[in-house]
Amino acid sequence: RKEVEQDPGPFNVPEGATVAFNCTYSNSASQSFFWYRQDCRKEPKLLMSVYSSGNEDGRFTAQLNRASQYISLLIRDSKLSDSATYLCVVNRREVVTGSYIPTFGRGTSLIVHP
Amino acid sequence: NAGVTQTPKFQVLKTGQSMTLQCAQDMNHNSMYWYRQDPGMGLRLIYYSASEGTTDKGEVPNGYNVSRLNKREFSLRLESAAPSQTSVYFCASSEGVTREGRETQYFGPGTRLLVL
Repeated sequence: RKEVEQDPGPFNVPEGATVAFNCTYSNSASQSFFWYRQDCRKEPKLLMSVYSSGNEDGRFTAQLNRASQYISLLIRDSKLSDSATYLCVVNRREVVTGSYIPTFGRGTSLIVHP
Repeated sequence: NAGVTQTPKFQVLKTGQSMTLQCAQDMNHNSMYWYRQDPGMGLRLIYYSASEGTTDKGEVPNGYNVSRLNKREFSLRLESAAPSQTSVYFCASSEGVTREGRETQYFGPGTRLLVL
């Protein structure tokens, strides 16, 4: 089982729709969680961190469920410009070095159409 | 601030040739990373450097070497390129452990490498 799993999609939704992505992780020692956005042929960029209490940034809401080991991203009122690949990232702390080791999911593709 | 810069942007190599991918960051970050991204595979960590003077293997280190030249620069070397190393290579940096125990990574624009 991959350490971080995402449904690759694509999720094809009309403008204005609400869409949700999930991501599951297998390492219970994982400590921090993020959603990154990657546009075609570009570098990934941080969309938002994910906190246990859940957090919201405008139309985007992220949730973490440590017991079930998944994180989610909800996008409300989708815009054409939201079309991209959304990458789930899970960091675990390396015991020996103390470094945070990131593991990326394969990404979920979102296409928002008029 | 340029952020994270990578050179070259594109490269074509023949099997067996060597090359070094350069990465530099001007954010005074402690940690730096090299990833490769292949279609359908997501980003996979090749090597990382938690601080100047240290480097460690990631998920897919075979066929690569790295050098953390100083705090700003982290290079990736392919000693004898193989077609399986055709990929997009991203360098990233992060400030290290924040008060909340989180690391946000900042990525360079990538190097597209084709090995024939």
